[in-house]
Amino acid sequence: GAVVSQHPSRVICKSGTSVKIECRSLDFQATTMFWYRQFPKKSLMLMATSNEGSKATYEQGVEKDKFLINHASLTLSTLTVTSAHPEDSSFYICSARDPGTLPYEQYFGPGTRLTVT
Amino acid sequence: DAKTTQPPSMDCAEGRAANLPCNHSTISGNEYVYWYRQIHSQGPQYIIHGLKNNETNEMASLIITEDRKSSTLILPHATLRDTAVYYCIVSYNQGGKLIFGQGTELSVKP
Repeated sequence: GAVVSQHPSRVICKSGTSVKIECRSLDFQATTMFWYRQFPKKSLMLMATSNEGSKATYEQGVEKDKFLINHASLTLSTLTVTSAHPEDSSFYICSARDPGTLPYEQYFGPGTRLTVT
Repeated sequence: DAKTTQPPSMDCAEGRAANLPCNHSTISGNEYVYWYRQIHSQGPQYIIHGLKNNETNEMASLIITEDRKSSTLILPHATLRDTAVYYCIVSYNQGGKLIFGQGTELSVKP
């Protein structure tokens, strides 16, 4: 299957700082990418849908000013957690939809574990 | 998107078939059934998907009932490495988001 990478895999930051997480589709062009977060022993929660060249669409209850999403190219989407606080500590996972498949297949990255101290 | 219902946990003996059920009674006619799994602290891995017909690939088989209100994922010869949380998701082909439910935690035991 297609490969989606995330960087970094783990990050520790201090409260009040911002952190950027990158999501790349390595062997296909992804016009749509998705960002999820996952708390321990919980399921994945969809945060937002990222479309190349346009503003992201956020799910209800997700603060768009806190979780900035940029999808500047067909292979890269970034999630910036601004002014991070300990409650933002979580496992963040991105996925990318391959438009060359029918139905559109969606591939997930390995995740980024964010710890805010 | 339609919601799905899965048992929270299941056990399976190594080498035996694992049959994971999923109810999706409100599925729409053009929604697909997708199965993903997540091994601890990793991103979800795609397993299989189907619309109406049964499907099989190198990982698993998907059996969808004729009324499409339920399905079963079959791992024919479960191994210890199949221990994971399995998610059944229904979604539209184009534009559909994958909304994860609670999934089934499958434990494969020696």
